[in-house]
Formats: sequence, C-alpha cells, structure tokens
Amino acid sequence: DSGVTQTPKHLITATGQRVTLRCSPRSGDLSVYWYQQSLDQGLQFLIQYYNGEERAKGNILERFSAQQFPDLHSELNLSSLELGDSALYFCASSGRWGGNTEAFFGQGTRLTVV
Amino acid sequence: AQSVTQLGSHVSVSEGALVLLRCNYSSSVPPYLFWYVQYPNQGLQLLLKYTTGATLVKGINGFEAEFKKSETSFHLTKPSAHMSDAAEYFCAVTGTASKLTFGTGTRLQVTL
Repeated sequence: DSGVTQTPKHLITATGQRVTLRCSPRSGDLSVYWYQQSLDQGLQFLIQYYNGEERAKGNILERFSAQQFPDLHSELNLSSLELGDSALYFCASSGRWGGNTEAFFGQGTRLTVV
Repeated sequence: AQSVTQLGSHVSVSEGALVLLRCNYSSSVPPYLFWYVQYPNQGLQLLLKYTTGATLVKGINGFEAEFKKSETSFHLTKPSAHMSDAAEYFCAVTGTASKLTFGTGTRLQVTL
C-alpha cells in the first residue's frame, strides 16, 4: 500500500460527459502528480501541483483540468469526453520538490468512455 | 529535456535465469533515474533509484541497476528470475523538476 488513494477505481461514462477523479496523497506529501496510461501513448505526465499551486504541466488537453485543495487532496476533471480518453489515470505524490524525489503511486482510476 | 528508451517491449526468461532489462536515457541536465514495476491491475511501485553517489544501486526483490554515464544507460538486472517477477517494468528519468518521463515499458515473462 503506497498510501496514495484514488477514487473511483473504475468509471464508465458516455462520450461528451464530464467526470472527476479524486486523489488523496500520502500523509504529509505536498506534491501531487497526474499521469495517464494508455496503450498508444504509454505513461504520460499530465500535471503537477505543489502545496496548492500548479508547478508543471505536461501533455494535458484543454478539456482536462486539475486542482489541489487546502487539505492537499487533488481532483482531475475531464470534460467533453472522447473515446480516446479511455485510459488508466494515476495519481502520485511526493514529499519534496526536486528531481531526486521518489513518487508514490496510487492504484489508478480506469476510465472507459463508451 | 529528458527521454528514456527501453529496448525490448517483451522479454522472456526461464525461472532461475538472469534478468536483464535495458534502459538508455537522454538528458540535458544530470539525470535522476528510476525503475518502477507494475503488476496487473496495480499501480507503479518503485524498485530502485539513482540520484547521486554510488553508481550501482540495489533495490527491492533482488533487483539492481548500474548507472553508466558514458553509455547513458541504466540497465536493470536480477541474477535469478522468479515467477513472481512477471510484470511490466518502466524506466524513468527526472531532471531538476520532479515530473517523471517514462519509457514505453518492458513486459517480463518468466517461464518454468
């Protein structure tokens, strides 16, 4: 158990809909990352928050947005969903800022868009 | 910018044989390198990491990796494979920022 909790574990929704994925980081970790894992794109970094502020942005679509709340949990909002958004979405957390920081991953949310 | 290349999307070894998973990196700054393992329907678990110091890094479950700057490599090895090692393995790199750039993964199959 990494200590990172993601809900829900599975989500099935229709095209055009909007969903929210939730992540609770390990106790005390200030940094939260979102990654997308799909068969065609592999593991891609989406976005990072550190203590409530956006710190880095990767290949995140404009239809996607995220935020980190004062209690440090984070939500990833996906809107106007397309079939191609079907993927496993991971949240990770780390305690510090910097490249030598180990990230701990949650079990992921599997999103299926039909 | 950083990137990682994992050679071989599938590797099959016999139980008890040497495991060698290859990873080459590219980085414009001194890299930090990681190996993660993903079991079916699970998240990613850190096996080992290289930050600074000793270039031979030992991790969990008997795995180790050696950072070779001259070859820009960070290959993962285990002397003797076990059935429980069957999983997908990802090499990843960071630089000054902590976001991970992953390779495409290598699926390890262990046969009897």
